[in-house]
Amino acid sequence: DAGVIQSPRHEVTEMGQEVTLRCKPISGHNSLFWYRQTMMRGLELLIYFNNNVPIDDSGMPEDRFSAKMPNASFSTLKIQPSEPRDSAVYFCASSFPLNEQFFGPGTRLTVL
Amino acid sequence: KQEVTQIPAALSVPEGENLVLNCSFTDSAIYNLQWFRQDPGKGLTSLLLIQSSQREQTSGRLNASLDKSSGRSTLYIAASQPGDSATYLCAVSMNRDDKIIFGKGTRLHILP
Repeated sequence: DAGVIQSPRHEVTEMGQEVTLRCKPISGHNSLFWYRQTMMRGLELLIYFNNNVPIDDSGMPEDRFSAKMPNASFSTLKIQPSEPRDSAVYFCASSFPLNEQFFGPGTRLTVL
Repeated sequence: KQEVTQIPAALSVPEGENLVLNCSFTDSAIYNLQWFRQDPGKGLTSLLLIQSSQREQTSGRLNASLDKSSGRSTLYIAASQPGDSATYLCAVSMNRDDKIIFGKGTRLHILP
């Protein structure tokens, strides 16, 4: 298996633009997690899905953030409109029961 | 609310020494505990997963122990090498399908 796949790896955009981050979990994993990592706040869970259903979105900072999982092999995290304070590395992770999480390489987002 | 603490935040050790990284958590009713490694600019790599019923797990030069009652885990690295330099994160899960809560990590530097 190729592991968790994220795209793009790097994204530079201007304030106010829409940003869409993509994730393909490991085949067979039934849980998917979106995290944000910054120097100041460390690793924060934004939202997670179980069997494609959002379970806990309490970490989503604002209504500007939304996430979808239309099927077991794909998820998106969208920021609309983006702001400079959204600049961070966004990680996607997936797991199967027993909860060992496997992380993707991350998307480094820079909002100018 | 579960909180995970890792002390120290940073550690420098001469090559060849054995070392211990510490992790503590406030709620002992965990489902499992996971240790991750993160290299600069990279994603997280799972090192060891300890189920709540286990006391330790070993992989090569790494040994992780778990003392649920005292809310502690340690990661022991034997015969450290410069390639072990990275940030090590501890994370706990409270339920089988639940999110995991991360510590802020210990940044380890092995001096050649």
